[in-house]
Amino acid sequence: NAGVTQTPKFQVLKTGQSMTLQCAQDMNHEYMSWYRQDPGMGLRLIHYSVGAGITDQGEVPNGYNVSRSTTEDFPLRLLSAAPSQTSVYFCASSDRGEDTEAFFGQGTRLTVV
Amino acid sequence: AQKITQTQPGMFVQEKEAVTLDCTYDTSDQSYGLFWYKQPSSGEMIFLIYQGSYDEQNATEGRYSLNFQKARKSANLVISASQLGDSAMYFCAMREGYFGTDKLIFGTGTRLQVFP
Repeated sequence: NAGVTQTPKFQVLKTGQSMTLQCAQDMNHEYMSWYRQDPGMGLRLIHYSVGAGITDQGEVPNGYNVSRSTTEDFPLRLLSAAPSQTSVYFCASSDRGEDTEAFFGQGTRLTVV
Repeated sequence: AQKITQTQPGMFVQEKEAVTLDCTYDTSDQSYGLFWYKQPSSGEMIFLIYQGSYDEQNATEGRYSLNFQKARKSANLVISASQLGDSAMYFCAMREGYFGTDKLIFGTGTRLQVFP
């Protein structure tokens, strides 16, 4: 069972470069989201989606774009990388339901120099 | 605004002893869900336990139990019979609303170290 798959696992970018973090899930979950984890701050929600074609902003959306054309995929785009975006990024998915847990990918460690 | 507070940056416990990790939350919603996740040094997020706001009994999952005190807005994680493999970061999280949207609000975490 693959679950939630994130690629790449590690990435170094130069300031101003753009890139896309990939996230795919094979559990047919409706809900997907992106979080960033910074030291001492826990995980913070960047963007989320409640289904294909529907996305919305979370707590820290600036500098990131998302789209959801299929149920399975939810890529996160960094438009012009900045050192402040150095972080660990997690993608998560969950099913509809009252007690459904969020399943997380393995994370992507991004460094912007 | 919804908020999760974990006031213990670090905790130590001896192997085989029980330990309580504190979590308080703030929300004006009547319906919400509370979660605990474990993050070992390898970095993945592992779901441990869930408590719904309407659940009358405390949740339990093996050695994990959640001490849910709704009036005090606390959702403490109790780990019984600690093991060396329990050493990790532990995050308390709250889901806005009762049904999944993946909009989780996390606390800052507690680093638990289990010593022999």
